[in-house]
Amino acid sequence: DTGVSQDPRHKITKRGQNVTFRCDPISEHNRLYWYRQTLGQGPEFLTYFQNEAQLEKSRLLSDRFSAERPKGSFSTLEIQRTEQGDSAMYLCASSLEMYYEQYFGPGTRLTVT
Amino acid sequence: AQKVTQAQTEISVVEKEDVTLDCVYETRDTTYYLFWYKQPPSGELVFLIRRNSFDEQNEISGRYSWNFQKSTSSFNFTITASQVVDSAVYFCALSEARRGAQKLVFGQGTRLTINP
Repeated sequence: DTGVSQDPRHKITKRGQNVTFRCDPISEHNRLYWYRQTLGQGPEFLTYFQNEAQLEKSRLLSDRFSAERPKGSFSTLEIQRTEQGDSAMYLCASSLEMYYEQYFGPGTRLTVT
Repeated sequence: AQKVTQAQTEISVVEKEDVTLDCVYETRDTTYYLFWYKQPPSGELVFLIRRNSFDEQNEISGRYSWNFQKSTSSFNFTITASQVVDSAVYFCALSEARRGAQKLVFGQGTRLTINP
């Protein structure tokens, strides 16, 4: 039984660099979500996909952020020209369309120095 | 706009005590879902329960129970006979039930520490 996986688990980058994270959802799940969690806060929604279509983006997702889900399988989240304020845990979750439980991956912790 | 409030930032109890985590929500939707997630020190969010707005029946699962009261917009979580392994941050969350909008709105979480 494979759950949601994310890679890398940790990323340290210098301000101004680009970073890309990957999420592999549970195989039969057609919905995939990205959230961001900062220290001491609950996760905040960033964007979600149904299959390969990106259906909603939060205002938190500035133009430096882009997410893709080619072929409706894995997804990538790219942050361009990283800033120190981007330091956070980036969480991926997936769900079956007909059900509403989202199952989360272990997250990617980004530190921008 | 949807909002979830978990007023208790931190709770510390001694093992075997019962503890209740409070959750109050705001939404204009008549149909919605409520959730509880657990985030242990390892960091991965673990799904505990989903409740829809039409089902106010309380639920019990082992030592866990949930009390949903629509009249007070609350969805409280009780752990009976707490154990050290219950130590974690617990999040309450809300989502709309429309098919095209299932994003979760989380509260700030309650850090629960169970002391031996």
